[in-house]
Amino acid sequence: TQLLEQSPQFLSIQEGENLTVYCNSSSVFSSLQWYRQEPGEGPVLLVTVVTGGEVKKLKRLTFQFGDARKDSSLHITAAQPGDTGLYLCAGARGSQGNLIFGKGTKLSVKP
Amino acid sequence: ETGVTQSPTHLIKTRGQQVTLRCSSQSGHNTVSWYQQALGQGPQFIFQYYREEENGRGNFPPRFSGLQFPNYSSELNVNALELDDSALYLCASSRMSSGVRETQYFGPGTRLLVL
Repeated sequence: TQLLEQSPQFLSIQEGENLTVYCNSSSVFSSLQWYRQEPGEGPVLLVTVVTGGEVKKLKRLTFQFGDARKDSSLHITAAQPGDTGLYLCAGARGSQGNLIFGKGTKLSVKP
Repeated sequence: ETGVTQSPTHLIKTRGQQVTLRCSSQSGHNTVSWYQQALGQGPQFIFQYYREEENGRGNFPPRFSGLQFPNYSSELNVNALELDDSALYLCASSRMSSGVRETQYFGPGTRLLVL
């Protein structure tokens, strides 16, 4: 059983379109992180959300943490080919909690 | 770049062999975590080392073992390799202070293929 479910698993869109990726769980996390991973490389941290209901923006990316701290979403506005990659969400439990990752959403943005 | 380096970048082994992977943590970091990422999956936590001692372990058998050195670099050892051990092995370094771990930074990974 996957503790963190990400959807969709794959997403192929045209440049300029908007998209939302979801990360859902039945468990509560003390924080949730979003990473982007390119082939052959390690995940790169995009954002950490800590407070229920929190919204963070990073240029065209908007991250939201659910009120109950069980789910999160990543919205990309006007996607660009450079946004292509694997987007991973990861939940942490407690201050020393190790990260539990979802399977990821593989995004392809075509010019 | 995160400042976390891993070696080797790629490795091919056969079933039953043993392998050692290495990780140099970012300057100022005292904690290293190791993850296994199979193809099409998210990373799975193997274990974590803090001040040269293992202080957390995921659901991996004892043939997965590790070390952390005084300079906080780390090794992951896997004995009796199985085909399912083929994966990208990631290390992540972070700073633990007053019982709170700060952001983890990942290295580029070692791609292991077991034939």
